[in-house]
Parts: sequence; C-alpha cells; structure tokens
Amino acid sequence: EAGVTQFPSHSVIEKGQTVTLRCDPISGHDNLYWYRRVMGKEIKFLLHFVKESKQDESGMPNNRFLAERTGGTYSTLKVQPAELEDSGVYFCASSPPGQGRHEQFFGPGTRLTVL
Amino acid sequence: QKEVEQDPGPLSVPEGAIVSLNCTYSNSAFQYFMWYRQYSRKGPELLMYTYSSGNKEDGRFTAQVDKSSKYISLFIRDSQPSDSATYLCAINRGAQKLVFGQGTRLTINP
Repeated sequence: EAGVTQFPSHSVIEKGQTVTLRCDPISGHDNLYWYRRVMGKEIKFLLHFVKESKQDESGMPNNRFLAERTGGTYSTLKVQPAELEDSGVYFCASSPPGQGRHEQFFGPGTRLTVL
Repeated sequence: QKEVEQDPGPLSVPEGAIVSLNCTYSNSAFQYFMWYRQYSRKGPELLMYTYSSGNKEDGRFTAQVDKSSKYISLFIRDSQPSDSATYLCAINRGAQKLVFGQGTRLTINP
C-alpha cells in the first residue's frame, strides 16, 4: 500500500511569489491534515479535512494560506503571497474514516524556503 | 505555557543502552498519546499509541503514561544505531488535532 505522498519535496521561492503544495493521502483515508514545522519549533497543526470539507482550520496562520481538497482525494495548500516567515517543512497526514481512529500517517514533507 | 513540553536534547548513548525519552503535558483531559519517530528528511512515523494511563509494549519499545503527573515516557531497550532519529511525543487534543512536543534528537553510538 502506498503511503502519503507530497510534491514537491523542496521549493525555493522569492518573497511575494505564490507556491502550491500537493498532498496525496493513503487511498481510502477520508481524513487529511496539514501540519507545519518552522525552524527550531514543534510541528503545528494547520487544518483538517474530512473528505472535501474543512473540519477544523483553526491552525491556519492567516488568509495568505488556502487549502483545498476538491473531490475528497488529494489536497493542495497554496501560499500567496509568500513571506519569509512561511519557510519551514509542511507535512501532510491522513487517517482512515470513523470515530476512534487516532493514528495519523505522515508524508515526507515539503521543505519550503522563502528568500 | 505549551501544551506539550519535550526536551530537545540532543541525547547520545552507547549501543545496547536503555533509552528513556519523556514529555510532560498540561491538560489532564488529554486521553490519547503517541510517539512518532522521524529520520532525517523523512516524515514522522507512528511508533506507539496509547490510550489513557498504563504501559504498552512493542518489541524493544515501551510507552508509559502517568496521568496523575501528566507525564509520558518512551523506553527503548537494547538500543541500536538504527534507532538514531528524532522522537516526537504527540497528544490527540480532540477532533484528531495532534499537538506535538519539540522532539528529542537521539544518537546511538556503535
């Protein structure tokens, strides 16, 4: 079974540009999450999709970040315009449907560098 | 105050030693506790998952939760160089939102 995949693995952009990160969850996983780790800090929750609906987006830093999951399969996270403080590693995770399933499976992450 | 506190280390021990990794948390309502292992340039990989208090064992790994002191631990017996990684404790804060500790970087020296 394929794990969670993320693309690209690394992105270097200039301040003010736009970047779109993609996540493909494990097949059949209704739950999809985005997390972020900035330098020297802990991994922090950004948002949670159940199928195509945003269940919790309390961790999104500001309105420069837009997450979508059209059709309930893959998800994209767009940062527009990017700022220096957006640099970090963005992780996607997925988990199976149903209550009581607390294990989340993480992808390898996208390392974003904003210059 | 952070919801989950974890000493970032680094921690370096000789091969074969018993390793103890720890986290504290602030909210006594938390019920689900996890340990993730993360190798360099990889995503976190779920190692152990426990509910409420008590111990859970899986091979050389034991996870322990002490809810009275709000303390969670991961023990690694007969540590191997392949165990060298960053270990992250995580708590399911509810609605499947994970809160992570900062991670402890562990090196096992041959």
